[in-house]
Amino acid sequence: SAVISQKPSRDICQRGTSLTIQCQVDSQVTMMFWYRQQPGQSLTLIATANQGSEATYESGFVIDKFPISRPNLTFSTLTVSNMSPEDSSIYLCSVRRSRETQYFGPGTRLLVL
Amino acid sequence: GIQVEQSPPDLILQEGANSTLRCNFSDSVNNLQWFHQNPWGQLINLFYIPSGTKQNGRLSATTVATERYSLLYISSSQTTDSGVYFCAVEQGSNSGYALNFGKGTSLLVTP
Repeated sequence: SAVISQKPSRDICQRGTSLTIQCQVDSQVTMMFWYRQQPGQSLTLIATANQGSEATYESGFVIDKFPISRPNLTFSTLTVSNMSPEDSSIYLCSVRRSRETQYFGPGTRLLVL
Repeated sequence: GIQVEQSPPDLILQEGANSTLRCNFSDSVNNLQWFHQNPWGQLINLFYIPSGTKQNGRLSATTVATERYSLLYISSSQTTDSGVYFCAVEQGSNSGYALNFGKGTSLLVTP
């Protein structure tokens, strides 16, 4: 298994500002993912952040808006830049050690006013 | 990418009842997982089941990969089973092994 923590757990931000979300894993993992869950919706993959390579973004998500860092095998950050109310969502960090089970952090609940 | 369809979208059960949740997917998969998102938003992995049958207590799952569907069975439901159940499949190496989620089944178990 994997124990994942995220900071902050929730935040209320003003439009036009940026927020950096931290993801810490209790042990080394190769595969790390960032997801967004808009209110009442399913999870949408933002990007894959494997250590040692640039993050790979899904269609509809760009690096300028969602820059990601992955400095080591236990830590990653996702920044939500120049926020608008449409960015109000839960942002989830997720990891997988093998090709099998995937684990999720508790999420960061973001409200943009 | 792979399309994932879950049914039913919503389900209300009385405590003690049984239920079956279905997940259909549009292409062959390397990985299929079922998750439960509790009312506080935490996602819990229930099963890794790209094929075959597994059981864990009151929950069991079956995936028939050749027919591109998976079923999640909940027996003797309890109020703590309430939440959203997601099926997620792996798109393959082109997407770095990321999981693609269905829209979920929202389950409410009443006392």
